[in-house]
Amino acid sequence: DAGVIQSPRHEVTEMGQEVTLRCKPISGHNSLFWYRQTMMRGLELLIYFNNNVPIDDSGMPEDRFSAKMPNASFSTLKIQPSEPRDSAVYFCATFRMMNTEAFFGQGTRLTVV
Amino acid sequence: SQKIEQNSEALNIQEGKTATLTCNYTNYSPAYLQWYRQDPGRGPVFLLLIRENEKEKRKERLKVTFDTTLKQSLFHITASQPADSATYLCAPGKGGSQGNLIFGKGTKLSVKP
Repeated sequence: DAGVIQSPRHEVTEMGQEVTLRCKPISGHNSLFWYRQTMMRGLELLIYFNNNVPIDDSGMPEDRFSAKMPNASFSTLKIQPSEPRDSAVYFCATFRMMNTEAFFGQGTRLTVV
Repeated sequence: SQKIEQNSEALNIQEGKTATLTCNYTNYSPAYLQWYRQDPGRGPVFLLLIRENEKEKRKERLKVTFDTTLKQSLFHITASQPADSATYLCAPGKGGSQGNLIFGKGTKLSVKP
């Protein structure tokens, strides 16, 4: 298996633009988490899904952020409109099942100018 | 609110010595605790998981302890090597259907030859 695949690896966009980050989980993994990492705040949990259903989105900072998981092999995190303070590395992590180890993707480095 | 503290942002030690990293948590009763390693530009990689009913766990040169009374986990790397230099993250996790996994900010370990 290729592991968790995130795209793009790097994204530079202008303030106000829509940004879509993508994640392909490991086949057979039932849980998917989105995290954001910055130097100041560390690794923050944004939202997680179990069996494609959003379980907890309390970490999503604002209504500008939304996430979907239309099927077991794909998830998106969308920011609309983007702002400079959204600049961070966004990670997707998947789990075979709850309460087991997480497998992280390589992350998407987002820069909003 | 839940709080996770890792003893220091950075830890510098000499090759061959034992590195000890600390993870403390408050307002939280995790069913287990995980430790991850993160290298620059990469996603975290799982190392060890210890459950609340386990006092200690070992894997090669790594040892983790979990004290639910002190609300603390210690992570030891014995006979440290320069290749062990990385950021180490702890992540207490809830059990059951509440599978959210939150992370401390991490401790950056530097092992000098």
